[in-house]
Amino acid sequence: AQSVAQPEDQVNVAEGNPLTVKCTYSVSGNPYLFWYVQYPNRGLQFLLKYITGDNLVKGSYGFEAEFNKSQTSFHLKKPSALVSDSALYFCAVRGGSSNTGKLIFGQGTTLQVKP
Amino acid sequence: NAGVTQTPKFRILKIGQSMTLQCTQDMNHNYMYWYRQDPGMGLKLIYYSVGAGITDKGEVPNGYNVSRSTTEDFPLRLELAAPSQTSVYFCASSYSGDTQYFGPGTRLTVL
Repeated sequence: AQSVAQPEDQVNVAEGNPLTVKCTYSVSGNPYLFWYVQYPNRGLQFLLKYITGDNLVKGSYGFEAEFNKSQTSFHLKKPSALVSDSALYFCAVRGGSSNTGKLIFGQGTTLQVKP
Repeated sequence: NAGVTQTPKFRILKIGQSMTLQCTQDMNHNYMYWYRQDPGMGLKLIYYSVGAGITDKGEVPNGYNVSRSTTEDFPLRLELAAPSQTSVYFCASSYSGDTQYFGPGTRLTVL
């Protein structure tokens, strides 16, 4: 069965410091991996995705994520955090062979960036 | 493009009442999805559609129904509302089953 785990409910970082939000997954076949961000009382916004190719994926707002097949991980990173990055972050996965596009979401990680 | 729009934004229902959550997209996407979001639980898929006239159950379909008569619209019907259906509901669409784009959500409370 497909699954996604975000092991941290909350991540706290100081503004200007690097941040990492962790995600591990389990899926049959090659994974399609996604990161979404949700600001309070808003819908989810797409940040970035990995389907194939370079293991380091760059996305919106300076975020990037590293695909690690051996560790089945897809951690979200940013070199220098901003207070405005504070939000709820979701990792999601679908199997590469899926023809329905159905995503399995992690439970979410709240990122708190303090000035 | 407006993207994915949802109405209403908020709704309070009494137990046993029914309602329809509306979802419309103007991106000519074939795939559409309904999720519910409960605190600390991530998003759970309720129903999805891969094209007009085609719908299928997701992970948590009980108590809900959908239809897809046009490419643009994917309404979600709640029959006999129950307190367990108190949640935030999101509609999403994608062109080919790849990246999904989400609406702003409907916050539903059943009392």
